[in-house]
Amino acid sequence: AQTVTQSQPEMSVQEAETVTLSCTYDTSENNYYLFWYKQPPSRQMILVIRQEAYKQQNATENRFSVNFQKAAKSFSLKISDSQLGDTAMYFCAFMRGETSGSRLTFGEGTQLTVNP
Amino acid sequence: GAGVSQSPSNKVTEKGKDVELRCDPISGHTALYWYRQSLGQGLEFLIYFQGNSAPDKSGLPSDRFSAERTGGSVSTLTIQRTQQEDSAVYLCASSSRRTGGKDTQYFGPGTRLTVL
Repeated sequence: AQTVTQSQPEMSVQEAETVTLSCTYDTSENNYYLFWYKQPPSRQMILVIRQEAYKQQNATENRFSVNFQKAAKSFSLKISDSQLGDTAMYFCAFMRGETSGSRLTFGEGTQLTVNP
Repeated sequence: GAGVSQSPSNKVTEKGKDVELRCDPISGHTALYWYRQSLGQGLEFLIYFQGNSAPDKSGLPSDRFSAERTGGSVSTLTIQRTQQEDSAVYLCASSSRRTGGKDTQYFGPGTRLTVL
């Protein structure tokens, strides 16, 4: 079974600064996908970024980037130029890369607060 | 286009009553997932539908939980004889299953269930 661990229950950052959220996972699979989702108070789970394990290049989406270390099974999220709208719960998630459908396994979440 | 929709947004029920939660996936998405988000258990997978294949029910916590998907589109999650521990946010997600690839799961806003 896969496990996902987010060791930072809460983090805060000043507006315009950079923050990094940590995520580690455990799996025996070689083919898999990793995601970061954000969940603001509205409850809507929103995709932030996605990484395929077979790709060595770290994924980036505007101000969001990841540091994917496959050997260390680490998948951290860096948010640059933090904005007030980034305040949310952030979840790291793992999905097996099998051909049939696959569920997401989530970490416990990190509550990020961006302060003005 | 329209995203995943869920109804009702909030549901309050009495212990022992049955409830039905509805999910409308993104048009054209063949895969549909139900997850439960609770304070004590975090985000848990419940059930997965893919086209006309038999659903993966391995995450359902008890036989009081069931789900169906009619016409490959709308899904209903039914909880019979609700218990207080069923109180949670129930999230639905959908994805398209392109050949040779695995698509991202897109989430609805969830239904908050409160069992009194």
